[in-house]
Order: sequence, then structure tokens, then C-alpha cells
Amino acid sequence: GAVVSQHPSRVICKSGTSVKIECRSLDFQATTMFWYRQFPKQSLMLMATSNEGSKATYEQGVEKDKFLINHASLTLSTLTVTSAHPEDSSFYICSARPGWNTEAFFGQGTRLTVV
Amino acid sequence: KNQVEQSPQSLIILEGKNCTLQCNYTVSPFSNLRWYKQDTGRGPVSLTIMTFSENTKSNGRYTATLDADTKQSSLHITASQLSDSASYICVVSGYRGSQGNLIFGKGTKLSVKP
Repeated sequence: GAVVSQHPSRVICKSGTSVKIECRSLDFQATTMFWYRQFPKQSLMLMATSNEGSKATYEQGVEKDKFLINHASLTLSTLTVTSAHPEDSSFYICSARPGWNTEAFFGQGTRLTVV
Repeated sequence: KNQVEQSPQSLIILEGKNCTLQCNYTVSPFSNLRWYKQDTGRGPVSLTIMTFSENTKSNGRYTATLDADTKQSSLHITASQLSDSASYICVVSGYRGSQGNLIFGKGTKLSVKP
């Protein structure tokens, strides 16, 4: 199956700093990438939908100025958590799919801890 | 409201035993239903995907069923192994605007004990 690589897998940062998470589709071009957040024992919550070359669409309640998404190429999307706070600590997962209703492939996730 | 409900929330079984996980959904219009396995601290991995016309689909020891009339699905695991310990997530794809959207269940946490 297709591979989606997410980096880093774990990151610890100080409160107030920014953290960038990368999501790459390794063997296909992803017109659409998704960013999710998952708190312990909870399901994945969609944060935003990212289409290559256009602005991301954010879900209600997700601050677009805090969670900056860039989808500059068909194989790379980045999520930057700006001015991170301890409450931003969570498991962030991206997914990518080749077409609008095709299979979605998930990255391995990034565990963010803000101290 | 589009929702996906899974049961049980958690399940403990002995190695070698079979088990069945349930998924009920109210997503409309419906496109497809997927089962994912998520190991702790990892991203979900697809097990099966079914459209409304498919009643059953197997992937090794995993067999998923779908009843589009009652909007129910199940995932049956045969001859469980310790490596089956994970969260199993039911995901239903609907339509939103010009794109499909995924509605996630909260998952069933399966623990297989020796």
C-alpha cells in the first residue's frame, strides 16, 4: 500500500515556542492531506483539510493562526503549532489520499509534548 | 447528525479466541465504511474498506460485514494473537460538498492476553 511518512515521531518543546510537523506521501501524489489531533482514549478529530496550492480549510473551533498549514507540493504538507502551550500536547496524525474519494493513508503520528 | 458508535469500548480476550467488534452509524449519504487498526502511539492502518453493495470482506484473520439497511458493521477476528492488541476504529465516509469526509468512531480497545 501507499506510504505516508510523518516527521518527527516525537517532539518536546518549551511553552511559547513553535513546532513544525511534516507529512510526506512517499509513492503517490496527494491532492488532499488531512491533519488530525487525538487525545488519550479519544477518536481522531479532524483539524483541517489541506489542498495543494490553496489555503487549508479549518474545522470549527480550530485556530488557523495557531495551527499553520502549508501544502506547497503534491507530496508535502506541514503543520506548525505556533506559540505552543501545554494544552496543545497531543498526538497529531496526518493522512493523504490520491483522489477525492480514494483510500486515505495515515502517517505514523507525532507525539507533541509542551513543557 | 453524522455519528459512528462502536461497541464495546474495550475488550479483553485470551490468545487463540475469536471476537467480534460492532459499529453502528448514522452517516448519510453513505459512501463507504472502513476498519482501521491503530497500535498505541502509531497512526491507523487500514484493514478493510466496503461500499454499500458489499456485505462482507476478509483480510486474513479479519472479516468485516456490512448491513447498509440497518447501518451496522462488524469486525470479526479469528484465532486472536497477542499482536492483535490494539484499538480498532470504524470510519464511515460520507459526502461533504465536493469531497468525501471521514467520520471516526472512538474505537474499541482490544487486549489479547496469553
